[in-house]
Amino acid sequence: SQELEQSPQSLIVQEGKNLTINCTSSKTLYGLYWYKQKYGEGLIFLMMLQKGGEEKSHEKITAKLDEKKQQSSLHITASQPSHAGTYLCGADIMGHTDKLIFGTGTRLQVFP
Amino acid sequence: EPEVTQTPSHQVTQMGQEVILRCVPISNHLYFYWYRQILGQKVEFLVSFYNNEISEKSEIFDDQFSVERPDGSNFTLKIRSTKLEDSAMYFCASTDSTGNTIYFGEGSWLTVV
Repeated sequence: SQELEQSPQSLIVQEGKNLTINCTSSKTLYGLYWYKQKYGEGLIFLMMLQKGGEEKSHEKITAKLDEKKQQSSLHITASQPSHAGTYLCGADIMGHTDKLIFGTGTRLQVFP
Repeated sequence: EPEVTQTPSHQVTQMGQEVILRCVPISNHLYFYWYRQILGQKVEFLVSFYNNEISEKSEIFDDQFSVERPDGSNFTLKIRSTKLEDSAMYFCASTDSTGNTIYFGEGSWLTVV
């Protein structure tokens, strides 16, 4: 089984709708990083969560870490076409940031 | 917004040739990484580098790969004899001592023919 699973794999939403992407680890999460990637481009850092129950927001994107469930969720409020892309979660499962394990990504499309 | 820069953005090379991918990490960062992403697949860790030595490497990072910090600003990944399966996007990343923000570069597309 995968160490880090993301769901859904893809999402198509109408502009203005809210959406949630989940990232679940099979191992203890010491740190969880969210990135956005456009096709063929680099990873854009969104936010990092470390402590259980921690919640961070950046513009209309909010991420939360549930330590007990070993899961993080990324929520976008009132989605815009600019939110389109692939969202990746990367996890530190070793207790140091020497190595991140990445999920398969969630591809988000937002239509007008 | 701080930036990790990578060159070249694209490279096509013949199988068996040596390739050097270059990165300029963010200036006050101490930890450096290379990751790769084969088209349509997950981002995979290759190697981490701190204090002028490798701190961790993956199974992918075999004897064909090497990293170097030749001066105070550059961080390079060398593939000694490229194989077809080395075709991928290679990302450089860096972070400071807290590890709270790991920044990635735009990537270098490597195509081995």
